[in-house]
Amino acid sequence: DSGVTQTPKHLITATGQRVTLRCSPRSGDLSVYWYQQSLDQGLQFLIQYYNGEERAKGNILERFSAQQFPDLHSELNLSSLELGDSALYFCASSVSYNQPQHFGDGTRLSIL
Amino acid sequence: SQQGEEDPQALSIQEGENATMNCSYKTSINNLQWYRQNSGRGLVHLILIRSNEREKHSGRLRVTLDTSKKSSSLLITASRAADTASYFCATDGTGGGADGLTFGKGTHLIIQP
Repeated sequence: DSGVTQTPKHLITATGQRVTLRCSPRSGDLSVYWYQQSLDQGLQFLIQYYNGEERAKGNILERFSAQQFPDLHSELNLSSLELGDSALYFCASSVSYNQPQHFGDGTRLSIL
Repeated sequence: SQQGEEDPQALSIQEGENATMNCSYKTSINNLQWYRQNSGRGLVHLILIRSNEREKHSGRLRVTLDTSKKSSSLLITASRAADTASYFCATDGTGGGADGLTFGKGTHLIIQP
């Protein structure tokens, strides 16, 4: 058990809809990262927050946004969903920069 | 874009044998990490090696790093059926801003009993 909790585990929705994925980091970790894993793109870094502030952006689409709350949990919002957004979305956390990241079990998003 | 590229893409060996996976990357790094992923599950951190280190051990794992060749290898000794999984190398950049990891496509390791 990594200590990182992601909800929900599975999400099935339709094109054009909006969903919110939630992540609770390991106790004491200030950094939260979001990744997308798909068969064609592999594992892609989306965005990082550190202690409530956005720290780095990766390959995150404009239709996607995220935030980290004062209690350090984070949410990833995906809107105007397209079929190609179907993927596993992982949250990871770490104590600080350049430290091992601990991954949750992911949210599997299926767009019908 | 994929920074790390693992080789081979798939590897099947007998239980008890050693497994070696290689990773190449393109840009300068602060550190390189190896992760394991069982089917449909989250990634599990195995080992982190910093750019000023050449070799690191953790249990049955041995990682080497050659920054001049921009390559790393992961050796799993005395493999077990439970080692069956996908293995990824991941790098970070030396730029001050981006701390997200860049993953390779992974090596799928199968340990035959």
